[in-house]
Amino acid sequence: GAVVSQHPSWVICKSGTSVKIECRSLDFQATTMFWYRQFPKQSLMLMATSNEGSKATYEQGVEKDKFLINHASLTLSTLTVTSAHPEDSSFYICSARRQSRAEAFFGQGTRLTVV
Amino acid sequence: QKEVEQNSGPLSVPEGAIASLNCTYSDRGSQSFFWYRQYSGKSPELIMFIYSNGDKEDGRFTAQLNKASQYVSLLIRDSQPSDSATYLCAVNWFGNTGKLIFGQGTTLQVKP
Repeated sequence: GAVVSQHPSWVICKSGTSVKIECRSLDFQATTMFWYRQFPKQSLMLMATSNEGSKATYEQGVEKDKFLINHASLTLSTLTVTSAHPEDSSFYICSARRQSRAEAFFGQGTRLTVV
Repeated sequence: QKEVEQNSGPLSVPEGAIASLNCTYSDRGSQSFFWYRQYSGKSPELIMFIYSNGDKEDGRFTAQLNKASQYVSLLIRDSQPSDSATYLCAVNWFGNTGKLIFGQGTTLQVKP
């Protein structure tokens, strides 16, 4: 159990375009999902926390208008990187947790390259 | 500022030895502690978590927590080359929201 699926695994896009990344919990209802970004040789940086049916809470320094997060159901959250630029190239990873459980499980990650 | 500190390593151990990975955290209010393993280019996978002081064992892995010293460790017995990865310590300090703060990770190299 506790499988989180993220799609796509990798994407290359042109500068100025938008990219949507999906995160699905396959065998449980995820009341909370988290989005992280990881640059090479660095640790995971939390970008935002999303709860089903409510607005995401963004970490300090993360532009909410650039990184749009939607958590429309208990099994799906999406991250849209708008007007992507080369500096947005990174490894984006989602994680999900059940209600009343502290442990979170990660999707396989999306490697975004903006050219 | 909530902080989680790990020695980045690399920590090198011979195959079959015990690998000891350490982590300290700054917030005494932290309640849950997690160890994740991350292979290069992959996302983290949960190894184990611990809430209470003392030891928790799961197969070859033992997590140790000392809240008074704000210290959590992971022991890997009978280390295998397949254990070579980066080990991330994560701390949930904000109640039970699941919001995790990660350390920078320790790279473990197990040499055959």
